Amino acid sequence: GAVVSQHPSWVICKSGTSVKIECRSLDFQATTMFWYRQFPKQSLMLMATSNEGSKATYEQGVEKDKFLINHASLTLSTLTVTSAHPEDSSFYICSANTGYAFFGQGTRLTVV
Amino acid sequence: GNSVTQMEGPVTLSEEAFLTINCTYTATGYPSLFWYVQYPGEGLQLLLKATKADDKGSNKGFEATYRKETTSFHLEKGSVQVSDSAVYFCALSDAGGGYNKLIFGAGTRLAVHP
Repeated sequence: GAVVSQHPSWVICKSGTSVKIECRSLDFQATTMFWYRQFPKQSLMLMATSNEGSKATYEQGVEKDKFLINHASLTLSTLTVTSAHPEDSSFYICSANTGYAFFGQGTRLTVV
Repeated sequence: GNSVTQMEGPVTLSEEAFLTINCTYTATGYPSLFWYVQYPGEGLQLLLKATKADDKGSNKGFEATYRKETTSFHLEKGSVQVSDSAVYFCALSDAGGGYNKLIFGAGTRLAVHP
């Protein structure tokens, strides 16, 4: 099946710094990718839809200046958590659709 | 709006027991329905899917039937194994699910003991 690779799989950063997470579709082109956030023992909540060559569409309540999304090519979308704070610690997962959604392995972000 | 409701977990079973995880949905139109599985520390993997009423999705011994009359997509397996321990998410996508976002249920944690 289709492969979506997410990097890094985990990251620890200091409060106030920024962290970039990459999501790549390895064997197909994805004009649209999705970024989800998952709190411990909870479901996935859609944060934003990443559109190649245009601005991302954010879900209600998600700060677009806090979570910067760039989808500069058909195989790469990046999520940058700016000025991270401990409450941003979470599991972030991307997905890309080719017929159906395929997910990356997720990135566990811990802000200390 | 569209939504998915799953039975609360955790579900704890002995190996070789029968598994049912209930899932119901609310949606306009004709959504596609999915079950995803998440093993500890990993992302989600598509387990099975169904795109229209009465379709049965199946994979690795798991199966689920798209029931429009009851708006349900219950996950079943006849004999679970310890390796099936994971969190299972029911999800829907409207307009065929091709390029649309997924709406997830809360997830059901399954623990299988030897």
